[in-house]
Amino acid sequence: AQSVTQLDSHVSVSEGTPVLLRCNYSSSYSPSLFWYVQHPNKGLQLLLKYTSAATLVKGINGFEAEFKKSETSFHLTKPSAHMSDAAEYFCVVSNPTGTASKLTFGTGTRLQVTL
Amino acid sequence: NAGVTQTPKFRILKIGQSMTLQCAQDMNHNYMYWYRQDPGMGLKLIYYSVGAGITDKGEVPNGYNVSRSTTEDFPLRLELAAPSQTSVYFCASSRAGADTEAFFGQGTRLTVV
Repeated sequence: AQSVTQLDSHVSVSEGTPVLLRCNYSSSYSPSLFWYVQHPNKGLQLLLKYTSAATLVKGINGFEAEFKKSETSFHLTKPSAHMSDAAEYFCVVSNPTGTASKLTFGTGTRLQVTL
Repeated sequence: NAGVTQTPKFRILKIGQSMTLQCAQDMNHNYMYWYRQDPGMGLKLIYYSVGAGITDKGEVPNGYNVSRSTTEDFPLRLELAAPSQTSVYFCASSRAGADTEAFFGQGTRLTVV
């Protein structure tokens, strides 16, 4: 079985300050992990993914995430928030055997960026 | 560069009506998926397909049907719509299995009244 917990449903930061969106996972296997972003009234877009290579993963738009097996965490960070980062972010865990039915989504974190 | 195209974008159905949500992708992806997104619940998998002629149930398939006659198209059929099917529906596709990037359509917002 696998699950993913996004620890904050809503995060608010000021523009120019760091962003931290927290994600913990549970998996019976060595997981693949993803962060997706959803802007209002849009589909989801891949930010970054971890698939058992380097534990620090860099994604688009300055985001990165670190896979920490000992803490079962995959937190998303960005050094300096921009107004365009305001969106909903989903942490996703995948069964690495490739079974399509084993993508599990977190409940999402809404990021608000204020001036 | 169309990617994954869903139609319609919005729809209101009466209880008991039926409809088909259309999904088409132009990336020659083998895998296609239908998800529903409810507030505060993340995305739940309804059905998926690993290639033309092959479909399988996801987590929440009840009340839905799918078909995959071509690589490009993966329509989702709602029979006898119920208020519990009020949701935002996303179609997605990927080149291979669950550890490859999924590309999402813009969604269909369905309200059943």
